[in-house]
Amino acid sequence: NFMLTQPLSVSESPGKTVTLSCTRSSGSIASNYVQWYQQRPGSAPTTVIYENNQRPSGVPDRFSGSIDRSSNSASLSISGLETEDEADYYCQSYDSTNLGVFGGGTRLTVL
Amino acid sequence: QVHLVESGGGVVQPGRSLRLSCAASGFNFKNHGMHWVRQAPGKGLEWVALIWYDGSEKYYGDSVKGRFSVSRDNSKNTVFLQMNSLRDEDTAVYYCARDRSGMVGGLVVDSWGQGTLVTVSS
Repeated sequence: NFMLTQPLSVSESPGKTVTLSCTRSSGSIASNYVQWYQQRPGSAPTTVIYENNQRPSGVPDRFSGSIDRSSNSASLSISGLETEDEADYYCQSYDSTNLGVFGGGTRLTVL
Repeated sequence: QVHLVESGGGVVQPGRSLRLSCAASGFNFKNHGMHWVRQAPGKGLEWVALIWYDGSEKYYGDSVKGRFSVSRDNSKNTVFLQMNSLRDEDTAVYYCARDRSGMVGGLVVDSWGQGTLVTVSS
């Protein structure tokens, strides 16, 4: 079984760009799609990126996703940070033996 | 738009059973695989179970295998999670979630419910 590792916390200022990382421990990051979920305090998760870089309707284009084969990691970038972006962000992927693997989550603080 | 509403949560003693329901609307339910994902208090997300669009395939996370069972009724646009032999560590908010695919090879969720809290305590 593989793991997805995310930094515990990240802080950035409003208006700036932040990039959250998600590193896969074994197997290629490119083998299976990566998703990103946002969870604001006290709320259910919502999907901000699916299939590596696809945005659901209603998610602003300030959110973008990518994968990097060389570092075996995925990234979520948020540009033009707003206070409402403050939330926990979870990456998620899968393989043939574990259909849902989540990272531990990164708490994004916008201050 | 997609609407998922969970119900059935509550307080239950260890070793007892509970059945969760998730009512879906706003989309063609029978075309989508459905997941249950849980979140223990103060912790991260954990995938629990998946059922294919037609109910023909079901998969479970290791921590619930043999104790939980997922099912669906496409005539009522509802998915269920039967939880047996409950343990303290099953205490969590349980979310129902829609997969983008019908025949799911891995979790790719695009919509989530609001969740229902299950507390296992004596």
